[in-house]
Amino acid sequence: DAGITQSPRYKITETGRQVTLMCHQTWSHSYMFWYRQDLGHGLRLIYYSAAADITDKGEVPDGYVVSRSKTENFPLTLESATRSQTSVYFCAIREGSAGKLFFGSGTQLSVL
Amino acid sequence: GQQVMQIPQYQHVQEGEDFTTYCNSSTTLSNIQWYKQRPGGHPVFLIQLVKSGEVKKQKRLTFQFGEAKKNSSLHITATQTTDVGTYFCMGEYGNKLVFGAGTILRVKS
Repeated sequence: DAGITQSPRYKITETGRQVTLMCHQTWSHSYMFWYRQDLGHGLRLIYYSAAADITDKGEVPDGYVVSRSKTENFPLTLESATRSQTSVYFCAIREGSAGKLFFGSGTQLSVL
Repeated sequence: GQQVMQIPQYQHVQEGEDFTTYCNSSTTLSNIQWYKQRPGGHPVFLIQLVKSGEVKKQKRLTFQFGEAKKNSSLHITATQTTDVGTYFCMGEYGNKLVFGAGTILRVKS
């Protein structure tokens, strides 16, 4: 949706490299999320943030790091990429504390 | 932890046939949301159900929330090729959001 931007759209990297996926919103929604999508697993939550400087682990946080120094940005870092982290990554923002999610267009990451 | 089971995993239908996907939780949900993801796209919000026994309609789509707030369904009447994609439910348990694995719908014309 307009208002949430992910970059890059595609990324190929090698095992052991550090990779950062970016997520930016033009609104000021408090809640932001990172999901990974793999066939057969649906969308699995990696990390989420309720506000700037507040982050928490989701279902599959191992191997990932997040930060939220500004409300509008929520980068996801793979500190040392592994092949199992090959996936499509979606950033999402939430309208209020109980509203719908808006998803970015996703980043397709391949770790060779 | 909480899980939302979604079935079926795949459904191939002939254009004009009906389609239903189901979500079940072992514990009571605060609410449930439904999303659609077109091939190559991102999930897009369809609807939110909050009340026990709630039924909502959007044109050919009918959404239901069970009386016990543990299950939900999405029914599409007379499918069209534009309905193809993956349909996800997302259950909310307090402050936790849990997605079902999704149902992939293919429509043969």
